[in-house]
Amino acid sequence: DTGVSQNPRHKITKRGQNVTFRCDPISEHNRLYWYRQTLGQGPEFLTYFQNEAQLEKSRLLSDRFSAERPKGSFSTLEIQRTEQGDSAMYLCASSLDRDRDGYFGPGTRLLVL
Amino acid sequence: AQKVTQAQTEISVVEKEDVTLDCVYETRDTTYYLFWYKQPPSGELVFLIRRNSFDEQNEISGRYSWNFQKSTSSFNFTITASQVVDSAVYFCALSGGTGGFKTIFGAGTRLFVKA
Repeated sequence: DTGVSQNPRHKITKRGQNVTFRCDPISEHNRLYWYRQTLGQGPEFLTYFQNEAQLEKSRLLSDRFSAERPKGSFSTLEIQRTEQGDSAMYLCASSLDRDRDGYFGPGTRLLVL
Repeated sequence: AQKVTQAQTEISVVEKEDVTLDCVYETRDTTYYLFWYKQPPSGELVFLIRRNSFDEQNEISGRYSWNFQKSTSSFNFTITASQVVDSAVYFCALSGGTGGFKTIFGAGTRLFVKA
């Protein structure tokens, strides 16, 4: 069990560019969650998948954000036309089905200049 | 709706002092989990403890202890004989309902331990 992994760990981009992050969950976990954490705040829920189906999206997930989990394994989170306000830590977590227990990845820290 | 409140924004103590971080939660679910995470400056969330709603036993792990009281909807965390390495932001969190591990976090408590 290698835990939840996220790549890249750090990303610096210029405003207006698109970025994509990847999350690899624990292999047998069929639920995958994305969170965003801005400076000085706790992580906030963005969206989650059960297998390849995206079951819930937060109001925080604007039209510039899109998440996919095409084969029910890894997931990607893309931000289009990045803005400085998108600078944050993006965290991924996974769990078994409806289990209320799960595990977080190390996060991807995004800085938009 | 679920909610987690960490009323203490920042706490500053001197090394070897005991310190308690407060957490109060709200949920209508009967089955839920409570968590504490530590977040050092590196940013990674370090898991400390999980407790399910049916287990009100207090837990001690080394210098860390947790007091879960459903009657007051509280899940407080105590560090005994604090050390400089305990300096970090600590988050209390709650998961439950049909969202599975969809987790609501408190705003965090920043702990400064001075030598």
